[in-house]
Amino acid sequence: KAGVTQTPRYLIKTRGQQVTLSCSPISGHRSVSWYQQTPGQGLQFLFEYFSETQRNKGNFPGRFSGRQFSNSRSEMNVSTLELGDSALYLCASSLQGTMNTEAFFGQGTRLTVV
Amino acid sequence: GESVGLHLPTLSVQEGDNSIINCAYSNSASDYFIWYKQESGKGPQFIIDIRSNMDKRQGQRVTVLLNKTVKHLSLQIAATQPGDSAVYFCAEKERGSGGSYIPTFGRGTSLIVHP
Repeated sequence: KAGVTQTPRYLIKTRGQQVTLSCSPISGHRSVSWYQQTPGQGLQFLFEYFSETQRNKGNFPGRFSGRQFSNSRSEMNVSTLELGDSALYLCASSLQGTMNTEAFFGQGTRLTVV
Repeated sequence: GESVGLHLPTLSVQEGDNSIINCAYSNSASDYFIWYKQESGKGPQFIIDIRSNMDKRQGQRVTVLLNKTVKHLSLQIAATQPGDSAVYFCAEKERGSGGSYIPTFGRGTSLIVHP
């Protein structure tokens, strides 16, 4: 079956703009998590959605937000972009997000803020 | 919050050698640990996991060892192949306030396998 799909793969934005990234989970997976990956900070958890509800949130400013639709597809939005937001944004889906359920990652969206 | 870290940022080995990648964690309450492999241009891929009530778990060519006394996790790769070249992350899963488990990742170790 199809894996986790993230669109777009690459994006260049200007400081101050906003951006929306999309993630389509594996069919049947209801948990979608988002991560920011940078060389300096590594992989950092942004938030997790399950059945259209945000269940957990990492330590990121309110400019980072997300949502999940009834078909489990998820979007994340970053408003008022800063240079430091340049990163690879990864989403992962799992069946339920429980302790021992495997998370499958997409290839990520590479965001460059100029 | 507490963090998961790695001892070595880069590990170079010869093809056929065994590789050992180490990870230190600080949250003694973590119940579950995972190793991920990330190849260039791809997202992390699950390799193997281990629960906190275990000391060792073996997979195909990989073994994870957990030492709770010193809060140390290691990944051993037997007969390392060029295709194993990637960045390896350890992660611990913590229960979030929302009830689900969230992985916290270490910084990663780059494994370079020379043919």
